[in-house]
Amino acid sequence: DAGVIQSPRHEVTEMGQEVTLRCKPISGHDYLFWYRQTMMRGLELLIYFNNNVPIDDSGMPEDRFSAKMPNASFSTLKIQPSEPRDSAVYFCASSLAEGRGMTFGPGTRLLVL
Amino acid sequence: GEDVEQSLFLSVREGDSSVINCTYTDSSSTYLYWYKQEPGAGLQLLTYIFSNMDMKQDQRLTVLLNKKDKHLSLRIADTQTGDSAIYFCAEGGGSISGGSYIPTFGRGTSLIVHP
Repeated sequence: DAGVIQSPRHEVTEMGQEVTLRCKPISGHDYLFWYRQTMMRGLELLIYFNNNVPIDDSGMPEDRFSAKMPNASFSTLKIQPSEPRDSAVYFCASSLAEGRGMTFGPGTRLLVL
Repeated sequence: GEDVEQSLFLSVREGDSSVINCTYTDSSSTYLYWYKQEPGAGLQLLTYIFSNMDMKQDQRLTVLLNKKDKHLSLRIADTQTGDSAIYFCAEGGGSISGGSYIPTFGRGTSLIVHP
């Protein structure tokens, strides 16, 4: 298995632009998570899905952020419009049931100028 | 609420043992995890321990759990420069049908290994 795949790996954009981050979880994993990592706030859970259904999006910072999972093998996190304070590393992770730990993707490093 | 605390930095000499400590608050945690993050990479699950265990050993790694004190530690024997990374402690319920399944992560401990 190739692991969790994220794209793009790096994204530089200007304030006000739309940003779309993509994730392909490990096949057979029922859970998908989106995290954001910054020096100031550490690792923050933004949203997670179970069997493609969003379960908890209380970590999504604002209405500018949205996430979808149209099928078991694909998820997107969209920021529209983007702001400089959104600059961070965004991780996607997936897991099987029973809390056996998550597999993280390599992350997308987002810089909003 | 749930909280996981770790010291931010640990510096050790190559060949020595490293001990990274963690405290947590959720007594209902079923699973406790250690993740490793190397520069520019995602978090990698190193090991996990069930809450009904006191110790787990996996090659150079030893995890100790003191459930009474809600204290978890990770010992790395014969620490190498390749072990330099950020180590995250996390706790979670592990049950989809109830409890807090989603792990809560600490801020991470940066392990610096010097010659």
